[in-house]
Amino acid sequence: EAGVAQSPRYKIIEKRQSVAFWCNPISGHATLYWYQQILGQGPKLLIQFQNNGVVDDSQLPKDRFSAERLKGVDSTLKIQPAKLEDSAVYLCASSLEGVGNTIYFGEGSWLTVV
Amino acid sequence: GENVEQHPSTLSVQEGDSAVIKCTYSDSASNYFPWYKQELGKRPQLIIDIRSNVGEKKDQRIAVTLNKTAKHFSLHITETQPEDSAVYFCAASKGQGGKLIFGQGTELSVKP
Repeated sequence: EAGVAQSPRYKIIEKRQSVAFWCNPISGHATLYWYQQILGQGPKLLIQFQNNGVVDDSQLPKDRFSAERLKGVDSTLKIQPAKLEDSAVYLCASSLEGVGNTIYFGEGSWLTVV
Repeated sequence: GENVEQHPSTLSVQEGDSAVIKCTYSDSASNYFPWYKQELGKRPQLIIDIRSNVGEKKDQRIAVTLNKTAKHFSLHITETQPEDSAVYFCAASKGQGGKLIFGQGTELSVKP
């Protein structure tokens, strides 16, 4: 079974620039998550989709971060403008029906803002 | 708000010894508690999980215990091996549709 696919794997940008990350969840998984993992910390949920609707985006910095999941499959996470503190790994994950079912993570997109 | 505290932040053991990592959660409605292992530069991978209707679950060398009254749960690894070296994260959620909250992680080092 194919896993959660993410791209790009690595990105270096200057502050105030923009960046976009793409995620393709496991086939058939209705729930998709974007987590931010800062070095040395646990993953922090940014946004959770159920199909193409948002379930939770309470910790998404909406002044600079946006995410969408068109057609309930692929998703993109955008940061504009980036700040130094956005340097982190952005992990996409998916599960069958939501938390309580196993969550599978992608390899992550490593962002460095200089 | 919801919070998960994890201890210790680092743990060093000799090969063959046992390792125990402890987590406490704040939301008494939490009912799903997974543990993830993350090797350097890799994705977090589920190693074991437990639901609130069970007090203990075991899978070979790994076991998890849950004390709902005290709101804490623990990961036990027996007969540790060097390949167990990684960062381990506990997490808690309120089940279907609930947000999964992670602990801060424990860096386990198993010395040969």
